[in-house]
Parts: sequence; C-alpha cells; structure tokens
Amino acid sequence: QVQLVQSGAEVKKPGASVKVSCKTSGYTFTSYYVHWVRQAPGQGLEWMGIINPSGDSTNYAQKFQGRVTMTRDTSTSTLNMELSSLRSEDTAVYYCARGHGPGSYSYFDYWGQGTLVTVSS
Amino acid sequence: EIVLTQSPGTLSLSPGERATLSCRASQSVQLGWYQQKPGQAPRLLIYGASSRATGIPDRFSGSGSGTDFTLTISRLEPEDFAVYYCQQYGSSPRTFGQGTKVEIK
Repeated sequence: QVQLVQSGAEVKKPGASVKVSCKTSGYTFTSYYVHWVRQAPGQGLEWMGIINPSGDSTNYAQKFQGRVTMTRDTSTSTLNMELSSLRSEDTAVYYCARGHGPGSYSYFDYWGQGTLVTVSS
Repeated sequence: EIVLTQSPGTLSLSPGERATLSCRASQSVQLGWYQQKPGQAPRLLIYGASSRATGIPDRFSGSGSGTDFTLTISRLEPEDFAVYYCQQYGSSPRTFGQGTKVEIK
C-alpha cells in the first residue's frame, strides 16, 4: 500500500534551518510528483511547493522562494524539504503529499503523517 | 493567485442532519475537497469537483463547476465532525480555502 512516512518533530532556534524527510513506499517513486504543505497551529493549509522525483525539477511558492529547498533521493525513495532562516512564524506541522499522476497539476491523494517544527529561542 | 472562499466558517449540526458546504473561487478552477480531523493529516474526499476518492462513503457528494462548488454530507455520522477544506490544483500556486468546521450541535 502507498505510504509516506515523515521524520520526527524538530525544535529549532530562530535563524536556523530544518530538514524534514518523507520516505515513500508502495508505488513507483519517480512516477508521482510530491508536494509540501504546512499548517500553523490552529490555521489552514498552505502550499509550499512541488518536486518532480523523476527529474528533480521544483516549483516553489513565491512566499518561500530563497528559503526552501526540495530534494529527492531515488536510492531510498525519500523526499526532503529544507527551510532556512527560520522564524517563529514558521512553527507549523509540515506535510508531504503525493500528487495523483500524471502531470504536476493534480489533487493530493496520499499524505504523510506530518512533522511538527517548533521555532523558539 | 486564485483565492478560495469557503462558507460558512462553522456549521453546527446534529448527527443525521444534512451538511452543505460552499467553496467559491476567484476564477475557474479544478477542485478537490479534503477532510481533516484533529491531530491527523488531511484526507482526500472529492476530486474533479464531484468524483469520490477511493473508500469514501456515498453520503459525501460534490457538485459545481467553474467558480462555485458544494460539498454535501447527506446524513452526518459521528465521525464526520471535522474541518473540511477545498483546494484548487489546476494552477500554481495551489491554494486552499480557509476551511469549514462541522461541529456537533
């Protein structure tokens, strides 16, 4: 069965970087785009960007341009999202979500369990 | 950026009642609906405005096209009390509505 399993919770200081991983299984890794979405405490869902695990191309939301880097490791079927220059407003649960193929414009059919990132001095 | 506006913000209903949730887009979109329960990841309910995702009970239905969409839950079950989000996935950036909370009256 399709699974996306994310890394554990993180606590970071302002100005630091965080890397969240998303290990996939149960499907052909290179055939489906993966999105990253975050949710601040008590707030709604915010799309951060997308990565094509096949060619490593990315598209980031303008809000995160220059601070976010999405990568993939085909040897372990894992996606990574790194966010730098953290501030308190980045405290949120971060989700990876698979886009239903083909193409990059599709709904999100499977989600990781979420990773809480807390930014605090 | 496409803006999605959901209404109402909160819907207070009793089990067995019908729930009608609205999502309006600032321009024509491709639309999905997700359910989220506390402490859980969102779950896909509806895609293409009206197609139920795998395993979703038929009490959930979606309708609409263009800029106006509706999610209907025909008879609320206890497990349906949650927050519901609409999402457009046809253009970048993908965007979500602010959510509608369906709570027990």
